[in-house]
Amino acid sequence: GIQVEQSPPDLILQEGANSTLRCNFSDSVNNLQWFHQNPWGQLINLFYIPSGTKQNGRLSATTVATERYSLLYISSSQTTDSGVYFCAVPQGAQKLVFGQGTRLTINP
Amino acid sequence: NAGVMQNPRHLVRRRGQEARLRCSPMKGHSHVYWYRQLPEEGLKFMVYLQKENIIDESGMPKERFSAEFPKEGPSILRIQQVVRGDSAAYFCASSPPYSNYEQYFGPGTRLTVT
Repeated sequence: GIQVEQSPPDLILQEGANSTLRCNFSDSVNNLQWFHQNPWGQLINLFYIPSGTKQNGRLSATTVATERYSLLYISSSQTTDSGVYFCAVPQGAQKLVFGQGTRLTINP
Repeated sequence: NAGVMQNPRHLVRRRGQEARLRCSPMKGHSHVYWYRQLPEEGLKFMVYLQKENIIDESGMPKERFSAEFPKEGPSILRIQQVVRGDSAAYFCASSPPYSNYEQYFGPGTRLTVT
């Protein structure tokens, strides 16, 4: 099945810093989703991004489907950005395959 | 428009008991998915259902686990004779009928087996 790898596994930054999270996938996909799992465990949809670039406030994402990777950018980090960031791609028509996540810690 | 709802949010069961987890999809969504997240791991697909049909259960353990999505009411994930290894967060997601890919997740049910 399709493999999804995220890097780095852990990232510790000071408030106000910028960060880039990467998601590589092993096969062609026609969609990709980014999620934020906050410290309370809730999973929040960030982007549904099969290709191109999308922006939402301080967050933006870019997927280059032909090269099988996606990037999530977080600018001017805030402590509320802490948590685990997952990317997920579809395998077949139904299931999402998740990466292992990047744990982001923003220190005040 | 309410999001995906799951209950209970936390469930504690002793070994050997049954656990029932409920999921109500977003309004207008007819596809339901269950995922399991073990501690410090990513989410793993378990089962995909449409109303009254199990479409893909390739991620479900062969024994003790079952799922349903009846014509009326929420989807149910049932775990019989729970063991400590079943302790995990169980997430439900739903998607609209025209797209299988953009899935919206509920808050999860955290099952603890003592």
